[in-house]
Amino acid sequence: QVTLKESGPGILQPSQTLSLTCTFSGFSLSTYGMGVGWIRQPSGKGLEWLANIWWDDDKYYNPSLKNRLTISKDTSNNQAFLKITNVDTADTATYYCARTNWGRFAYWGQGTLVTVSS
Amino acid sequence: DVVLTQTPPTLSATIGQSVSISCRSSQSLLDSDGDTYLNWLLQRPGQSPQLLIYSVSNLESGVPNRFSGSGSETDFTLKISGVEAEDLGVYYCMQATHAPYTFGAGTKLELK
Repeated sequence: QVTLKESGPGILQPSQTLSLTCTFSGFSLSTYGMGVGWIRQPSGKGLEWLANIWWDDDKYYNPSLKNRLTISKDTSNNQAFLKITNVDTADTATYYCARTNWGRFAYWGQGTLVTVSS
Repeated sequence: DVVLTQTPPTLSATIGQSVSISCRSSQSLLDSDGDTYLNWLLQRPGQSPQLLIYSVSNLESGVPNRFSGSGSETDFTLKISGVEAEDLGVYYCMQATHAPYTFGAGTKLELK
């Protein structure tokens, strides 16, 4: 059974760095073709893909966030991570991680709400 | 970036009615490996998105077969053959052929 769960700080202040963790089970990020993606959704709005990391440590980023993103993984502990630097109120959203393989986003976590506020 | 244009933005349906949602891409989603990475997802109120269809027309495991997907290159369609109450929510198309991956703006399916 595949499960993913996101965790984050809940609330942080503008200019701080947001650190998110995706803890998963039921698959390995060392398996050929496997990946984890991060997607966010402001309240009442649509979905925005942020980044993906793959079994071979290849990484894709959304250039709209202008080099503020860093994605990484800990294969041994079944975790993936996303850092977003210099946050502002526009980064307030629910953040999801999802298992991806060959473009198929089949399993999603429940999401974690992040609020940026002074 | 690839722009996905979904129509209509809102869809009102009665139970049992068949409906279709269109997703048009600003460029071909045919990948160099021969696959077309166009997904359809449903987000019910208060829930995470759920994958319905992957690679244009493949039904995800556990998804009822009243859902079907079709299309190629830049034009794609999701059809629901007989809407049920549990189908209400927002439908998104998503492409994973070209990075950055992108989503359509969504189609909200409501009861008439």
